[in-house]
Amino acid sequence: EADIYQTPRYLVIGTGKKITLECSQTMGHDKMYWYQQDPGMELHLIHYSYGVNSTEKGDLSSESTVSRIRTEHFPLTLESARPSHTSQYLCASTYDRASGELFFGEGSRLTVL
Amino acid sequence: DAKTTQPPSMDCAEGRAANLPCNHSTISGNEYVYWYRQIHSQGPQYIIHGLKNNETNEMASLIITEDRKSSTLILPHATLRDTAVYYCIVRAHVNTNAGKSTFGDGTTLTVKP
Repeated sequence: EADIYQTPRYLVIGTGKKITLECSQTMGHDKMYWYQQDPGMELHLIHYSYGVNSTEKGDLSSESTVSRIRTEHFPLTLESARPSHTSQYLCASTYDRASGELFFGEGSRLTVL
Repeated sequence: DAKTTQPPSMDCAEGRAANLPCNHSTISGNEYVYWYRQIHSQGPQYIIHGLKNNETNEMASLIITEDRKSSTLILPHATLRDTAVYYCIVRAHVNTNAGKSTFGDGTTLTVKP
C-alpha cells in the first residue's frame, strides 16, 4: 500500500472559516499534487510541487494555496471557506522519474455550510 | 497528451474476465498507456502501464494493439471488489508530466454476483 496520508478524511465547516487539509508521504517523493473532484466528476489538478519551496498552480483555478516546506508534507489551505469549496480533495505523489505512477491518498471530503 | 475514449459503463459477472477497452487513436510514439481505478470516491489506484508490448502484473493484463491506437485492460477473474471507475490515460514519459495527466470520465465497471 502507498504511504501517503490525508487528514481530515471528512470536514464540515461554516462559511468564512480557515481550513488546512494535510497531506504527508513517507516515500521520499519529490513530486506532489492536489486534485479536486466533485461527486461523479473527473479529477482536476489544482496545485503541484516538484520539491521543497516549489509550488505551481494546476489546470483548474482554485482559491486555495499550498506550501512545501518539507519534502514529505504538502498542506492545502483555504483562508475563508465558502459553499463553492465543497468538494473532495485528493493528494498524490510520485517518484522523481519519468515513468513514475501516481500514489494517491484516501482524500479529504470538505463540506462548507 | 493524447485524448482517450472509454465506454461510460460496463457490467461483468463475478468470476468472469472483465475486458475494458480504451481508444487512443492519436497516441504518439513516445506516449505510454496507463490505467488507474477509483473505488467509491477513494483515491485512484495505479493498475498497470505499457508502451507497445502486452504487460501483466498481479492485478491485471494490458493488451495494446499493434498500431497502438487502442488497448484493453483485462481483469482475469473479476470480484465484487473490482467494481470501480477505471481510467485510461496516455502520456509521454517526461519527468514533469506524471501528475498532469487528464483522468477524464473513465469507465464505471460494475461486477455483479
